[in-house]
Amino acid sequence: DAKTTQPNSMESNEEEPVHLPCNHSTISGTDYIHWYRQLPSQGPEYVIHGLTSNVNNRMASLAIAEDRKSSTLILHRATLRDAAVYYCILRDYKLTFGKGTLLTVNP
Amino acid sequence: GAVVSQHPSRVICKSGTSVKIECRSLDFQATTMFWYRQFPKQSLMLMATSNEGSKATYEQGVEKDKFLINHASLTLSTLTVTSAHPEDSSFYICSAGLAGGTYEQYFGPGTRLTVT
Repeated sequence: DAKTTQPNSMESNEEEPVHLPCNHSTISGTDYIHWYRQLPSQGPEYVIHGLTSNVNNRMASLAIAEDRKSSTLILHRATLRDAAVYYCILRDYKLTFGKGTLLTVNP
Repeated sequence: GAVVSQHPSRVICKSGTSVKIECRSLDFQATTMFWYRQFPKQSLMLMATSNEGSKATYEQGVEKDKFLINHASLTLSTLTVTSAHPEDSSFYICSAGLAGGTYEQYFGPGTRLTVT
């Protein structure tokens, strides 16, 4: 799997938007960009995925750069339940998890 | 979304014994399931890919004779940790995909194994 780079940690306030960046400069044309999150002592949870176009679902939005070398996961209104480690992964067949970004949400 | 369950959620076993962890896809069929291990404050590490009706594919460095994987049906995969030792204590997580390629994987809640 191609490598991704994410900040180790980010902090946000409740009910504010959060933009979680991910760099993937070596992405290939067939790599899908997947985002998962993991709450403490739980299995990861699928958040969103995309290939070229921006994507929206009930959990988040995914903004993909035109050159696909970076992407941003957008949580429109952070809640305390969004505090988790967020993983950005380029998927071919299997998922390879990096260290992710630890998101802290302040009340 | 699709649901994946694991059983047990927690298990404590004595050194030298074996323990089996079950992973089930509850409302979909999974031709492929994945097994991960996660040590404290570390990320998930893929151990093996399990395909229904065939032998599992293990990642480099994972002992296939120690971590036995069986994928007997489209909804059940099992991981057996044989002759467990304290260093095998970890959080074991399985996942299953609705389809290959682009689709998302659904993860189980994990099994906390403690070997005393």
